Amino acid sequence: QVVLTQSPSASASLGVSVKLTCTLSSGYKSYAIAWHQQQPEKGPRYLMKVNSDGSHRKGDGIPDRFSGSSSGAERYLTISSLQSEDEADYYCQTWGTGIVVFGGGTKLTVL
Amino acid sequence: EVQLVETGGGLIQPGGSLRLSCAASGLTVSSNYMIWVRQAPGKGLEWVSLIYDGGNTYYADSVKGRFIISRDNSKNTLYLQMNSLRAEDTALYYCARVASGPVDCWGQGTLVTVSS
Repeated sequence: QVVLTQSPSASASLGVSVKLTCTLSSGYKSYAIAWHQQQPEKGPRYLMKVNSDGSHRKGDGIPDRFSGSSSGAERYLTISSLQSEDEADYYCQTWGTGIVVFGGGTKLTVL
Repeated sequence: EVQLVETGGGLIQPGGSLRLSCAASGLTVSSNYMIWVRQAPGKGLEWVSLIYDGGNTYYADSVKGRFIISRDNSKNTLYLQMNSLRAEDTALYYCARVASGPVDCWGQGTLVTVSS
């Protein structure tokens, strides 16, 4: 069964870029994933789908500052020009027949 | 605009039962893959159950045999029947739509607390 691994925490300063990583377990590097943002005390929000070839498609209303990419078994979420409201938990998610899988989440702190 | 509204959460004793509802607008529940996801206090997201448009259902091992996902097409509503509840089932429960893989629409959640 596929497992998604994320670093528990990350931090970056206002105005700079940050790249979050989601790693697919061995044998699953062809899988696409989705990224979700959960701001404090709020429900999750879908950000985008990232394919194994690096292409991505964002959800409605997601700012251009958010982008996705891939390399091998790693899927990335890059947030540029960091803003205070980007401080949140970020989860990756994938799927198979009869199953949905979430990574453990990365808590992003904006300094 | 797509909207999912969960209700039915509350405080329940261990061993008890509870049914969560998720009323949908802007989408047809029976034509979509729908899931329940939970989030224990201070923890990450955990997939609970999935129902396909064709009606096939699937469950996480942690709830298999205790929870039942279903839908009422006439009410455009998704349900989660939770039986034999345990303290570890305490969580915020979200319903969501799966769109060809990604979860692309989330409800606001309903809190279930299992405690004596």
